[in-house]
Amino acid sequence: KNQVEQSPQSLIILEGKNCTLQCNYTVSPFSNLRWYKQDTGRGPVSLTIMTFSENTKSNGRYTATLDADTKQSSLHITASQLSDSASYICVVSFNDYKLSFGAGTTVTVRA
Amino acid sequence: DVKVTQSSRYLVKRTGEKVFLECVQDMDHENMFWYRQDPGLGLRLIYFSYDVKMKEKGDIPEGYSVSREKKERFSLILESASTNQTSMYLCASRPDRNTGELFFGEGSRLTVL
Repeated sequence: KNQVEQSPQSLIILEGKNCTLQCNYTVSPFSNLRWYKQDTGRGPVSLTIMTFSENTKSNGRYTATLDADTKQSSLHITASQLSDSASYICVVSFNDYKLSFGAGTTVTVRA
Repeated sequence: DVKVTQSSRYLVKRTGEKVFLECVQDMDHENMFWYRQDPGLGLRLIYFSYDVKMKEKGDIPEGYSVSREKKERFSLILESASTNQTSMYLCASRPDRNTGELFFGEGSRLTVL
């Protein structure tokens, strides 16, 4: 069973609207959690990193939250743009090299 | 700028052929990785390498081998390609074990007929 579950699998939003992606994990012990953005046909690129003690971190219009007690993270996209259309992957690190990947959420932004 | 280059973006091979996927990074990173990405399954680790000449099996090494003769180059080898190895292959690197961010290549989409 995958130790990192993302929801929804996909979503469609109108340009300018906000959306929130979810990531639940069972990985233990926890080191850090990253969100990556993967444009179609490209490799993933890191958006944010969060350690155990951090609750919120922003990168422009992207805001990630972490609740280490409930083992949940979210990625909020504000005022979506067409360029936000991509897959968003949650990656949890639980030792020096071992990474566990979620299956990703595909976001489609329509004009 | 950080650069991870995969030699082939698209390949079509026949069952039983030997396939080489090359990956080069120009950042002097110690660690390099090979993943495959399939719809609904996320990225799965095939092999990784902490340093030159070193390699470790990941979660799905069966049917694959790797080579790291130089620090900047990490090759993935399919000795005898099979149809279930049709997938997107992603190479990644990172500076060392303590630096978690992975830098990915653009991916190599392999189709085995």
